[in-house]
Amino acid sequence: QKEVEQNSGPLSVPEGAIASLNCTYSDRGSQSFFWYRQYSGKSPELIMFIYSNGDKEDGRFTAQLNKASQYVSLLIRDSQPSDSATYLCAVKKPNSGYALNFGKGTSLLVTP
Amino acid sequence: DTAVSQTPKYLVTQMGNDKSIKCEQNLGHDTMYWYKQDSKKFLKIMFSYNNKELIINETVPNRFSPKSPDKAHLNLHINSLELGDSAVYFCASSHHEELETQYFGPGTRLLVL
Repeated sequence: QKEVEQNSGPLSVPEGAIASLNCTYSDRGSQSFFWYRQYSGKSPELIMFIYSNGDKEDGRFTAQLNKASQYVSLLIRDSQPSDSATYLCAVKKPNSGYALNFGKGTSLLVTP
Repeated sequence: DTAVSQTPKYLVTQMGNDKSIKCEQNLGHDTMYWYKQDSKKFLKIMFSYNNKELIINETVPNRFSPKSPDKAHLNLHINSLELGDSAVYFCASSHHEELETQYFGPGTRLLVL
């Protein structure tokens, strides 16, 4: 079982719609969870992090965490073409110096 | 001001050569990392250094040797380059705490011919 799993997509949504990105993780000891966005040819940039169960909102982005189900999601409201990118779910590896364990990423395409 | 910088941005070399990639951060972080992103875009941790000391080596071949001369720098030296080493190498840094964010450098695109 992969440590962090994401649907690779591509996920295609029309402009203005809600994009929903999902991630599951295998290590129940994981405490902190991150969503990074990566444009083609660029480095990952942080969108949000979450470490408590429930929802966390920042502008058009909402991260959701359910530790019992080992599930993290990212919702993007009012999706824009500029949101088209690969979204990487990352989980800090317990007992390993806080390195990030990444999923393979979900490719999001927002169509005008 | 660039927070995490890497040099070079591009590196094209022949199999068997030795090459180095440099990383510097000006964020005052005490922990630095090297990640490798392969052709399928999978990003994987290679090494982690905290206060110049190695704390993670994720089963990376010993042809790869990181060196941290001080907290702001983490260099990666690769001996006897192989075709499979072709990838993008990202340096990152953070404070050494659970809830701290890691900031990534722009990446070094290595192509081994």
